[in-house]
Amino acid sequence: DAGVIQSPRHEVTEMGQEVTLRCKPISGHDYLFWYRQTMMRGLELLIYFNNNVPIDDSGMPEDRFSAKMPNASFSTLKIQPSEPRDSAVYFCASSFRQGNTIYFGEGSWLTVV
Amino acid sequence: AQKVTQAQTEISVVEKEDVTLDCVYETRDTTYYLFWYKQPPSGELVFLIRRNSFDEQNEISGRYSWNFQKSTSSFNFTITASQVVDSAVYFCALSEAWGNEKLTFGTGTRLTIIP
Repeated sequence: DAGVIQSPRHEVTEMGQEVTLRCKPISGHDYLFWYRQTMMRGLELLIYFNNNVPIDDSGMPEDRFSAKMPNASFSTLKIQPSEPRDSAVYFCASSFRQGNTIYFGEGSWLTVV
Repeated sequence: AQKVTQAQTEISVVEKEDVTLDCVYETRDTTYYLFWYKQPPSGELVFLIRRNSFDEQNEISGRYSWNFQKSTSSFNFTITASQVVDSAVYFCALSEAWGNEKLTFGTGTRLTIIP
């Protein structure tokens, strides 16, 4: 079975540019998460969806960040405009129902110069 | 509020030695889930184990074993006869059972196995 699929795997962009990260969750999973990993803050939850509806976006850093889930098999995390401090690894993850294992994608490595 | 503490930032052991990674958690919930994930040098997060708060039985999977003790709020991970491929960062994580699905991660323990 395919796992969580993220794209792009690596992105280098200039400050001020728009960045869009994409995620395809595991088929049948009804929860989707976006996490960010940095050296300073470790792994932190940005936002999560249940049945395509955002449930908790309290971790989204600021208005420059937005996330959507138009259907059960696709989600995007957008940063506009990007800043060097946004450089991090962004993980998408999914799970089935409450309390079950959360499976992570391979991450999108973002560098903003 | 939930909290996960991994006090060991880095550990180095010689190959074939046993090593235990510590995890201490805090939660007000009576029902919760504990996880361990492995992050090898390639960067992906690999699920290792999930344990619910009502199941205190220790678990063994090959060279890996986990010791869950509610009395001390600990969920420790032991690798027996370590191998170079075990070199990675290991994260302990906690989630509430109801109403909040998010994982709270510890800061991770970087394990280096010396050949």
